Amino acid sequence: GQNIDQPTEMTATEGAIVQINCTYQTSGFNGLFWYQQHAGEAPTFLSYNVLDGLEEKGRFSSFLSRSKGYSYLLLKELQMKDSASYLCAVSCVREAAGNKLTFGGGTRVLVKP
Amino acid sequence: NAGVTQTPKFQVLKTGQSMTLQCAQDMNHEYMSWYRQDPGMGLRLIHYSVGAGITDQGEVPNGYNVSRSTTEDFPLRLLSAAPSQTSVYFCASRRSGGPGYNEQFFGPGTRLTVL
Repeated sequence: GQNIDQPTEMTATEGAIVQINCTYQTSGFNGLFWYQQHAGEAPTFLSYNVLDGLEEKGRFSSFLSRSKGYSYLLLKELQMKDSASYLCAVSCVREAAGNKLTFGGGTRVLVKP
Repeated sequence: NAGVTQTPKFQVLKTGQSMTLQCAQDMNHEYMSWYRQDPGMGLRLIHYSVGAGITDQGEVPNGYNVSRSTTEDFPLRLLSAAPSQTSVYFCASRRSGGPGYNEQFFGPGTRLTVL
């Protein structure tokens, strides 16, 4: 099976930086995803990492270390609209990549003025 | 493109009733999935399909059936509703290959309450 851990909640100030960590234990790792989900809405895709290193996409960056079973999502220049839950999800090689994902419980980020 | 659509948006059932949650996508995606989301538990996969006529079970398939007769539609059937099935249900789809194939698109969700 797979085990994915991420903090339940984080609070940060507008304009600041927040780092959301995700640790996982799995066999046959085949990629890690980050999704954003605003309250009452559907998740939307943010990033996908399959190789070690940092992927940058505007104000959001995602990092992966496969040997450590560790990823983080970095949100820079926080805006009020970034208040949402951030879901870490892992895919295994035995499963169709991106289709059959195992999700963590999500990290709720609250951005304060 | 409408993307991934789900109906109904809200539903209240009594224990023992059956119903079908509808999901459709107009992006010609091969892969479609059903998830349920409960507070503090993230999304859990119920069933998925890699193409018309092909379905398989996810983590929590008991009490649910699916079929995939067309590429566009992937309905989820609750056979005999139970209070434990109270949840938010999301349908998702993605391509099987090509640029950006890992991006999974989610529908708006169906909020189901079983009394």
